[in-house]
Amino acid sequence: DAGVTQSPTHLIKTRGQHVTLRCSPISGHKSVSWYQQVLGQGPQFIFQYYEKEERGRGNFPDRFSARQFPNYSSELNVNALLLGDSALYLCASSLTGGEGGQPQHFGDGTRLSIL
Amino acid sequence: GEDVEQSLFLSVREGDSSVINCTYTDSSSTYLYWYKQEPGAGLQLLTYIFSNMDMKQDQRLTVLLNKKDKHLSLRIADTQTGDSAIYFCAESPNTGGFKTIFGAGTRLFVKA
Repeated sequence: DAGVTQSPTHLIKTRGQHVTLRCSPISGHKSVSWYQQVLGQGPQFIFQYYEKEERGRGNFPDRFSARQFPNYSSELNVNALLLGDSALYLCASSLTGGEGGQPQHFGDGTRLSIL
Repeated sequence: GEDVEQSLFLSVREGDSSVINCTYTDSSSTYLYWYKQEPGAGLQLLTYIFSNMDMKQDQRLTVLLNKKDKHLSLRIADTQTGDSAIYFCAESPNTGGFKTIFGAGTRLFVKA
């Protein structure tokens, strides 16, 4: 069975541009979460979606948005890119998305570099 | 506040046991996790423990949970060079708004 897949694997953008990152969860998983991992740090929570609804949001500006589609895949959008947005963006899926957590399975991430 | 703390580095010899420690702050967490990250890769779920358990063993991995001290540890028996990676401790608070909070990671070096 396929794990969590993310695309693209690498991306280079310039300041002020917009980016869309994509994620397909494990088959049967209905919840998708997005994380930002800056070099040398642990992942920071951005969003969780379950059944196409936003269930949680981390401390990120409104330039970050996401959505989940009927097939449970998800997109993360970032507008007006800043140098500080350079990071590994990780997607994770779980069966459901209850508060208090569920074991999440991660993709290999999209490495975003801002010039 | 919400915080997960880990030591940054651990170095062991091949064949020895490794113990990676973590402290967390939110006693409401139902699940506590250990993830492994190899260079250039995403996070691999190694194991997890329910908050109503004290210990969980899974082959070479043993997780110990001390809820009173909010301390979690991961023991890797017979550590191999392939275990060299960054290990993340994480919690999912019941009052956390559906998020999982990660520590900064412990980099494990295994010397042959």
